[in-house]
Amino acid sequence: QVQLVESGGGLVKPGGSLRLSCAASGFTFSDYYMNWIRQAPGKGLEWVSKISSSGSTTYYADSMKGRFTISRDNAQNSLYLQMDSLRGEDTAVYYCARGQEGYHYWGQGTLVTVSS
Amino acid sequence: QSVLTQPPSVSGAPGQRVTISCTGSSSNIGAGYDVHWYQQLPGTAPKLLIYGNNNRPSGVPDRFSGSKSGTSASLAITGLQAEDEADYYCQSYDSSLSAVVFGGGTKLTVL
Repeated sequence: QVQLVESGGGLVKPGGSLRLSCAASGFTFSDYYMNWIRQAPGKGLEWVSKISSSGSTTYYADSMKGRFTISRDNAQNSLYLQMDSLRGEDTAVYYCARGQEGYHYWGQGTLVTVSS
Repeated sequence: QSVLTQPPSVSGAPGQRVTISCTGSSSNIGAGYDVHWYQQLPGTAPKLLIYGNNNRPSGVPDRFSGSKSGTSASLAITGLQAEDEADYYCQSYDSSLSAVVFGGGTKLTVL
């Protein structure tokens, strides 16, 4: 069965960096676009970034451009999100999700807290 | 402010029918981009409920249905059950933003 498992969240100071990972299994990872979506505490869903199946094309929400970098390793069935220059408003649960739109599969999420 | 507008809350009694609206604009829903709907139970990841405007993934009861017209879309839930109490989100794509966009979410309360 399809599984997506995020890791790498934690507490980081403003201005700091964090790298999230998403381990995929149960499907041919290299066939699918992958995404990061986040949800601040008590708030709604916010799309963060998307990467093509080959990894050659990436897309970002405006507020994340220049600070976040999405990447993937198809040999390792893994998706990554490098987050730099973190701000308090980046505090959220970060989910990885499969697909271009209409995300059929989501991970359980990993919590990122940005605080001094 | 979300690009897609949803009512903050809706409610209904068990067995009733409720609808949740998702209002967009000419750069997203009105431009022909598909609308997708998610259900999020407390403390869990979102679950895809409707994709491509009106398609249900396997396992989703036919009590849930989606529709789209003009710059808006709707999610209808019939035969309301206590287990339907959750947050619901619509999603589409916006060509002006070149980004995937979500509605602000609607909390469904089963009375």
